[in-house]
Amino acid sequence: ELKVEQNPLFLSMQEGKNYTIYCNYSTTSDRLYWYRQDPGKSLESLFVLLSNGAVKQEGRLMASLDTKARLSTLHITAAVHDLSATYFCAVEQAGAQKLVFGQGTRLTINP
Amino acid sequence: KAGVTQTPRYLIKTRGQQVTLSCSPISGHRSVSWYQQTPGQGLQFLFEYFSETQRNKGNFPGRFSGRQFSNSRSEMNVSTLELGDSALYLCASSLVGRVYEQYFGPGTRLTVT
Repeated sequence: ELKVEQNPLFLSMQEGKNYTIYCNYSTTSDRLYWYRQDPGKSLESLFVLLSNGAVKQEGRLMASLDTKARLSTLHITAAVHDLSATYFCAVEQAGAQKLVFGQGTRLTINP
Repeated sequence: KAGVTQTPRYLIKTRGQQVTLSCSPISGHRSVSWYQQTPGQGLQFLFEYFSETQRNKGNFPGRFSGRQFSNSRSEMNVSTLELGDSALYLCASSLVGRVYEQYFGPGTRLTVT
């Protein structure tokens, strides 16, 4: 059974600092997704990583995928308050048109 | 083009009642998936429909059911509601086999009292 684990689950950081959220998963997959969710809202797609070594960047966020280590990272550079949200990684279960989500990382960025 | 729409957006029901939620996918998308989000269990896959057929189902009791119509619109039904069914229910649509282009709707917030 595919399991997805994120850490940390809660992260409070100061503006201007860098940090990384980790996403580990238990079975082979080469498709991983990152989403952002604001309180009371739906999921907003951030990154789609479709192969080993994939790296994508958007603004202060950068995501990477290592399928051999079954690990993805979401790196935040010089955080700003607007990035405060909950971030989810999700792994596509092969052949099932189904996403298995991590628990989410609640990120709070303080001025 | 219009995104995924879900109705109603908010719903309050009483234990023991049943509820039907609706999802209209993006035009041309024929695969519709449903997810439940709760504080305790997180985001969990409920089921996926394509061409009016349920192709995948998550680990939920039989009280949770769904269907898809010929125009790809989908409904999910929960019978005999329990307090633990209070959740945000998210629908997502995509072209078949293209989860990487899946779009989520705004969700239906169900509260069971």
